[in-house]
Amino acid sequence: DQQVKQNSPSLSVQEGRISILNCDYTNSMFDYFLWYKKYPAEGPTFLISISSIKDKNEDGRFTVFLNKSAKHLSLHIVPSQPGDSAVYFCAARRSEKLVFGKGMKLTVNP
Amino acid sequence: DADVTQTPRNRITKTGKRIMLECSQTKGHDRMYWYRQDPGLGLRLIYYSFDVKDINKGEISDGYSVSRQAQAKFSLSLESAIPNQTALYFCATGGLGLEFGEQFFGPGTRLTVL
Repeated sequence: DQQVKQNSPSLSVQEGRISILNCDYTNSMFDYFLWYKKYPAEGPTFLISISSIKDKNEDGRFTVFLNKSAKHLSLHIVPSQPGDSAVYFCAARRSEKLVFGKGMKLTVNP
Repeated sequence: DADVTQTPRNRITKTGKRIMLECSQTKGHDRMYWYRQDPGLGLRLIYYSFDVKDINKGEISDGYSVSRQAQAKFSLSLESAIPNQTALYFCATGGLGLEFGEQFFGPGTRLTVL
């Protein structure tokens, strides 16, 4: 049973516009939610995270929103840039272990 | 220099062979993890270790074993490789008190079992 779900396998946006990546989870015991970015032939790199006690965290162009009642989080990238094109993984942490979603491929077109 | 290194980066082997993947880190973290990535399945946890004397099974440990030789080294072994173990393998590190709860990943090993 998938505890972390990324239901859209891909997203395509124009440069300068907003990218919104969504993630749902089922386990209320997760204490952190994280987003990772992955380029081909590289390992995932940490992008941004949010504690379960917060509802928003912002870092430059990246903002993560957490809706605990809906068990839903989203990553907003504004403005999107071609270099943001990658696979994005949502992850949730419990007992210092991460559970990952299946990933979503973001393409930002110039 | 990379903080988390993995060797080899690519490996092709045959069914039944024993394979060892190695991971080293210079981040000084005590937590180390092994994941595998399959197309369309995300990353799944194989084994993890919170210190040198601590080894724990993850979600998909069958067919794998690990060794924590030192705080900085964590090896993954496939005792008798089979084709469905063909995947990307990632090592990661983490530590208590990291502000964002994150783990740091190595570049990965692409393993093909024929």
